[in-house]
Amino acid sequence: EVKLVESGGGLVQPGRSLKLSCAASGFSFNDYWMGWVRQAPGKGLEWIGEINQDSSTINYTPSLKDKFTISRDNAQNTLYLQMSKLGSEDTAIYYCARGYNLAYWGQGTLVTVSS
Amino acid sequence: IQLTQSPSLLSASVGDRVTLSCKGSQNINNYLAWYQQKLGEAPKLLIYKTNSLQTGIPSRFSGSGSGTDYTLTISSLHSEDLATYYCYQYNNGNTFGAGTKLELK
Repeated sequence: EVKLVESGGGLVQPGRSLKLSCAASGFSFNDYWMGWVRQAPGKGLEWIGEINQDSSTINYTPSLKDKFTISRDNAQNTLYLQMSKLGSEDTAIYYCARGYNLAYWGQGTLVTVSS
Repeated sequence: IQLTQSPSLLSASVGDRVTLSCKGSQNINNYLAWYQQKLGEAPKLLIYKTNSLQTGIPSRFSGSGSGTDYTLTISSLHSEDLATYYCYQYNNGNTFGAGTKLELK
């Protein structure tokens, strides 16, 4: 069974950084592109970015390119999202998903940016 | 590529045939997927590459389209289909549509 479990969310002050993790199991992690998507409270889905199997290609939505960094550790079957200079607009549930078509999703981790 | 979904809210009855629209600002080359999101849950992939049904998804869901215009059809609405539906293009600079909320009439 494909399983994705996000962690690392919580309350963070404006201007600070936070790193999210996504632990994958039930499939061969290093065979798939992986992606991150977020959803602000009561809003729609926003694609953040994606990373290919060997980390040689990483794509971001333009508005987040300078704030967020996606990485992966294939030995640990884990995907990461490093977020910096966080603002209230970054308050959202953050999801990781498998594949360039986002076929499987985790349950998400909530990040709240507030003083 | 911007995606415009219509309508934003759709009221329908159990048993209705329902059609949701997604229009791109440029050619999407069929790299279009549809997701269902129920309240408090993660999105679930229904359709990928315009018309390929994801494993485990009921056959009452189908997708069609080409170029800039795509459609998700539910042939006979079930009560458990009440949710918000998002289209997503992964052809160029991946983006989601704003969603169509499907409610019971």
